[in-house]
Amino acid sequence: DTGVSQNPRHKITKRGQNVTFRCDPISEHNRLYWYRQTLGQGPEFLTYFQNEAQLEKSRLLSDRFSAERPKGSFSTLEIQRTEQGDSAMYLCASSSHDREGGRSPLHFGNGTRLTVT
Amino acid sequence: AQSVAQPEDQVNVAEGNPLTVKCTYSVSGNPYLFWYVQYPNRGLQFLLKYITGDNLVKGSYGFEAEFNKSQTSFHLKKPSALVSDSALYFCAVRDGRDSSYKLIFGSGTRLLVRP
Repeated sequence: DTGVSQNPRHKITKRGQNVTFRCDPISEHNRLYWYRQTLGQGPEFLTYFQNEAQLEKSRLLSDRFSAERPKGSFSTLEIQRTEQGDSAMYLCASSSHDREGGRSPLHFGNGTRLTVT
Repeated sequence: AQSVAQPEDQVNVAEGNPLTVKCTYSVSGNPYLFWYVQYPNRGLQFLLKYITGDNLVKGSYGFEAEFNKSQTSFHLKKPSALVSDSALYFCAVRDGRDSSYKLIFGSGTRLLVRP
């Protein structure tokens, strides 16, 4: 178990540019989640995948945001035409499908901190 | 809709004293409750969970939490605080009927343990 890996750790970009983040979940985990955390707040759910299928998207996920998990392993989160309000920590988490119905915790990566100037 | 409230932005305690970090929740179905800790510029680390059974659950680093259904609370406790416990603590809830298994987090409580 090597843990959830996120790259890059930090990203500074200018307003209007596109950025892409990558998440590698724990290898046997079939569920993958994206969260956003702004300063002084708790993580907010953005979207999740079961294998390669994106099953739920939050209203926070505007049409400038897109997430993929093409082979059911790693995932990418892209933000197009970044805005200063997109500055946040983007967290990825994974979990295994539990026959007993969601008793497993989410395992988080160390996040990607995005700064939009 | 699910929600979590952490009424204290910060908790201050002296090393060696007991600590409590408060959490209340709201869900439609059965609550699955979690506590996480976050150190600066890091992700969240899982501490403990309540799913069912004994209302007092024990977790990592000597932490425990007490589930109280009537008060819809899940307070985090530790009998003797350490300076190294200073960090940001998040309570989270999952609705047992929600097949997404996503967690809804509170706004966090900063714990400061002074020597």
